[in-house]
Amino acid sequence: LAKTTQPISMDSYEGQEVNITCSHNNIATNDYITWYQQFPSQGPRFIIQGYKTKVTNEVASLFIPADRKSSTLSLPRVSLSDTAVYYCLVGPRFEAAGNKLTFGGGTRVLVKP
Amino acid sequence: NAGVTQTPKFRVLKTGQSMTLLCAQDMNHEYMYWYRQDPGMGLRLIHYSVGEGTTAKGEVPDGYNVSRLKKQNFLLGLESAAPSQTSVYFCASGWTGGNYEQYFGPGTRLTVT
Repeated sequence: LAKTTQPISMDSYEGQEVNITCSHNNIATNDYITWYQQFPSQGPRFIIQGYKTKVTNEVASLFIPADRKSSTLSLPRVSLSDTAVYYCLVGPRFEAAGNKLTFGGGTRVLVKP
Repeated sequence: NAGVTQTPKFRVLKTGQSMTLLCAQDMNHEYMYWYRQDPGMGLRLIHYSVGEGTTAKGEVPDGYNVSRLKKQNFLLGLESAAPSQTSVYFCASGWTGGNYEQYFGPGTRLTVT
């Protein structure tokens, strides 16, 4: 599975846009990119998934360049409640042999007033 | 829909004691997973199941056993607890394996003294 690298932490202010980049240089042809959000004392929550170009939902946008060696999660106009750890995962969408994904350390985002 | 529930929420064990953590999901998911999360770390996969009656080892299976006698339940057992097993345990479920959306429970905080 593709190894991912993301910043350990990021600070932002309310109302700003937060962009978190994940590097995955050895991404495979059938790999998808998924982002999860984890609040303190809670389990992770799926945010968004994409394969190429741009994906947008009501929570975030995911930008994937043509070479797919990195991806950027964009959180528009963050609020204090967006303070959380964000995990980037890369792997095939369907794995008959079972899930072997690893969450890594994630990026700790702190939104300040 | 309750989603994924975990029992108990908190537990304190003495070294050498045994216990079972229960995970239940009401989404008819085939795949279920047990993760552990140590302070400031990402999630590590302990065991998983691709369907009723099946189990498989994840990244850190030693010291744990699992069973999936019913599709909706996934049990994690500690036969002889050790302080190194102090952690937060998360259960998750999903329609399929691989990099596909997983639904997480609220977690069980276990302390072994």
